[in-house]
Amino acid sequence: GQQVMQIPQYQHVQEGEDFTTYCNSSTTLSNIQWYKQRPGGHPVFLIQLVKSGEVKKQKRLTFQFGEAKKNSSLHITATQTTDVGTYFCADGQTYNNNDMRFGAGTRLTVKP
Amino acid sequence: NAGVTQTPKFQVLKTGQSMTLQCAQDMNHNSMYWYRQDPGMGLRLIYYSASEGTTDKGEVPNGYNVSRLNKREFSLRLESAAPSQTSVYFCASSVTSGPSYEQYFGPGTRLTVT
Repeated sequence: GQQVMQIPQYQHVQEGEDFTTYCNSSTTLSNIQWYKQRPGGHPVFLIQLVKSGEVKKQKRLTFQFGEAKKNSSLHITATQTTDVGTYFCADGQTYNNNDMRFGAGTRLTVKP
Repeated sequence: NAGVTQTPKFQVLKTGQSMTLQCAQDMNHNSMYWYRQDPGMGLRLIYYSASEGTTDKGEVPNGYNVSRLNKREFSLRLESAAPSQTSVYFCASSVTSGPSYEQYFGPGTRLTVT
């Protein structure tokens, strides 16, 4: 099964509202990556977090890695319709050191 | 650069038919991957190739075979398609294997097995 759990599964917001998705693991993660997939599209890499407590920002997107490296979050400030899509986290804790496991994703819809 | 390309974009098969999904990358990446994506399940790794000449099973390999034809190309074969294999298939590549390298995905193949 999946090693990272993502919540919520779905989120519907009004344009301008904030949005947060969470990624949780029962084990310590070596690193975590975030991807975005637009409807009908393919996953696109957003960012990678490696250090405990790390915070990175990309314009309206803020990514955090927990102090214990067991959870991560993606926060979008003042959502826009262009933010619509599914956001996946992928953990670097692999079972054979050569692949990543993806969370089930959070699907974001934005009402204009 | 085209990045990662996949063919075909869409395919409908009947149960028991076989087909090969093609993937190619022009980024000189060493590692390539095949995933399937089902609603609510995220991306699940089928097979991967850490480098040219090697392939390994991922999380859900049953019913599939792969070939790393050369550094650029990595194909996925369904020998006898089943309705459970209806899914969207993504090929991806990365500079090298390991969890620290971002993956670049192709546009996907939408496969329906009736």
